[in-house]
Amino acid sequence: KAGVTQTPRYLIKTRGQQVTLSCSPISGHRSVSWYQQTPGQGLQFLFEYFSETQRNKGNFPGRFSGRQFSNSRSEMNVSTLELGDSALYLCASSLERGSAGYTFGSGTRLTVV
Amino acid sequence: AQSVTQLDSQVPVFEEAPVELRCNYSSSVSVYLFWYVQYPNQGLQLLLKYLSGSTLVKGINGFEAEFNKSQTSFHLRKPSVHISDTAEYFCAVTLSGGSYIPTFGRGTSLIVHP
Repeated sequence: KAGVTQTPRYLIKTRGQQVTLSCSPISGHRSVSWYQQTPGQGLQFLFEYFSETQRNKGNFPGRFSGRQFSNSRSEMNVSTLELGDSALYLCASSLERGSAGYTFGSGTRLTVV
Repeated sequence: AQSVTQLDSQVPVFEEAPVELRCNYSSSVSVYLFWYVQYPNQGLQLLLKYLSGSTLVKGINGFEAEFNKSQTSFHLRKPSVHISDTAEYFCAVTLSGGSYIPTFGRGTSLIVHP
C-alpha cells in the first residue's frame, strides 16, 4: 500500500511569506503528527491530529498551525516565515496512538531566504 | 516528562563487524520504546519496537534491541553490518498511557567503512 506522501518535497520561500505543507497518511491511519527536524535541535514535535482534532501541540509559536480533514489528510501552515524556520518538516501517520509507532513521509525541505 | 539520551553521536565501524548503538531513557512509569533509521534525504523508518513481554526484540534488516528495565536502556545491535546500514539512527520513548507523543533522542550516525 502507498506510504505517507508529503508535498512538495522542496520549497524556497522568502522571509515574511507564508507556506502550506501537505501530508497524505497511509490509508486507514487516523493519527497524523508533524515534526520539525534541524541539525541543531533534532526532531521537535509540532502537533498531532486524530480524527480531525488537534490532540497535542508542541512548543512552537502561533505562526505554526495545522489541520486535518475528514479523509485524514493533513496540512500545516507557517505564516510570517523567519530564517530559523528553514528545516525538514516530517509528517508521520499511525494506525493508533502510542504503541503502533510511526510511518514517516520523506519530508518537505523548506528553505527560507 | 520522559527524556532519551543517545550516548554516541557518531559510531564508525568496519563492514561485517558487530555494532551496538546505545540508548538510555528516563521515566518513572511504563514506556514503549522504538528505534528508527533515517537514510539521507528520507524520512524515518521504524526498525523495531518494544511494548511488553520478551526483552529481546528483533526488527528489520537484522537489527535487534534489548530492553533493560533496571538500567533504563534499550540498546540496538547488529552482529554484522553492511555498507548500506550507514544512516542516522534514532531512539524514541513514549509513555504508555500518557500523551502518546514520543520523545526522540538526538540520533546516532552509524558510518560503515569498507
